[in-house]
Formats: sequence, structure tokens, C-alpha cells
Amino acid sequence: QVTLKESGPVLVKPTETLTLTCTVSGFSLNDARMGVSWIRQPPGKALEWLAHIFSTDEQSYSTSLKSRLTISKDTSKSQVVLTMTNMDPVDTATYYCARISRTAWSRAPYYFDYWGQGTLVTFSS
Amino acid sequence: EIVMTQSPATLSVSPGERATLSCRASQSISSDLAWYQQKPGQAPRLLIYGASTRATGIPARFSGSGSGTEFTLTITSLQSEDFVVYFCQQYHNWPPGFGGGTKVEIK
Repeated sequence: QVTLKESGPVLVKPTETLTLTCTVSGFSLNDARMGVSWIRQPPGKALEWLAHIFSTDEQSYSTSLKSRLTISKDTSKSQVVLTMTNMDPVDTATYYCARISRTAWSRAPYYFDYWGQGTLVTFSS
Repeated sequence: EIVMTQSPATLSVSPGERATLSCRASQSISSDLAWYQQKPGQAPRLLIYGASTRATGIPARFSGSGSGTEFTLTITSLQSEDFVVYFCQQYHNWPPGFGGGTKVEIK
């Protein structure tokens, strides 16, 4: 059974660095066919893709947020970690991790077949 | 960067009727398009990939069509649980982009 679960702080302060962890089960982050992305959704708004990590540790980032994002993985822990620096109230959103599963290795993007439940990140003054 | 535009933003349909949702890409994406359904407080759920292939467990009342830049999601005989939000996503190029969503509401 494939599952993904996000964890991290519920509240952050302006200028802080956000660190989110996605713990996966039911598949291996070393599997060449697999990859994991982070996607966010401000309340009542659309989905915004943030970053992706391949089985090879190669990464891809949103053009507009690239300078603030780092994605990494710890295969032994089955975890994918996203850090976002210099947090601002406009970054208030539910943050999801989601899996892609292809039939063979590829650097191309793909659709997301499994999603975590999401974690809402808001700001404290 | 490919921009995805969904229309309408809100669609009012009566239960049992048909809903037709549109998604347009700013450039050709072949058939590299997925549709997702999102219920309140839940993560998106994959409905359609490859523009027209239903994901595992998706009822046959959901169908997708189109290629290039114009795509359609059709929901026939709307059930109560179908009155939620739908997103399209292109995966032809990085970054994978989502449309703004269409909310299907009860007429």
C-alpha cells in the first residue's frame, strides 16, 4: 500500500526557514521509476508545483521560487525533505508531497498518482 | 513555461445532468494532461491521465478527451459526491503546471 505523509511546523514566523518532511511507504525512493514532488495550495486557491526529486537525487525547481527551495531525500528513512527560506505570510498554504511512478526511468515530468494528506503552514505574528 | 487555463471557474449543473469542463494549454502538450478531483479538506485525487485514460477505480461516468492545446473533462449523470473542484495538470515540460480549477456546484 502506497502512502505519503507530510510533517513539519504548523506555525512559522516571517523570515524563518520552513522544513517539511514527507515520509513514504509502499515504494522505494531508490526505484528508478519513482520520484516525489512538493506542491502547495493557498487556502481556496490553485495548486502550485514547487520542486521534484528523482531517484538519482537530481532535482527540479519552480523557476519563481528556486532561490528559496532545497529538496533532498534520505532513502534509508524513506523521507523527502523540502526547505524553504525567508518565509513570508504569502507562503501560507497546505503543502503536499506527491509521487510519480513511471514504467521506466525518465527526466520528463509526469502525473501524480498518490498524494499525502497535506500539512497546513500558517504564520504567527 | 506552459500556462494552463481552466474554464469556467464555476459550473452550475443539476444532479443527474452532464458537466463539461475545459482546460487549455498555452502551447501544445500532446496528450500529456491529467485531471484531478479535490474534495473539501482532502488532497487531489487522480482521475484521468494521458488526456483520456481513467485512473484505477475511477467510475466510467468520468471521461477525458482532447490533445494539443484543448482538453475536456466530461462527467455524465452527476452524483452528489461529484460537486467539488477539478484541476488539470500538464506534464509535457518542466515545470508541471496546474490550471486554476473549476468548481462544479449544484444548480
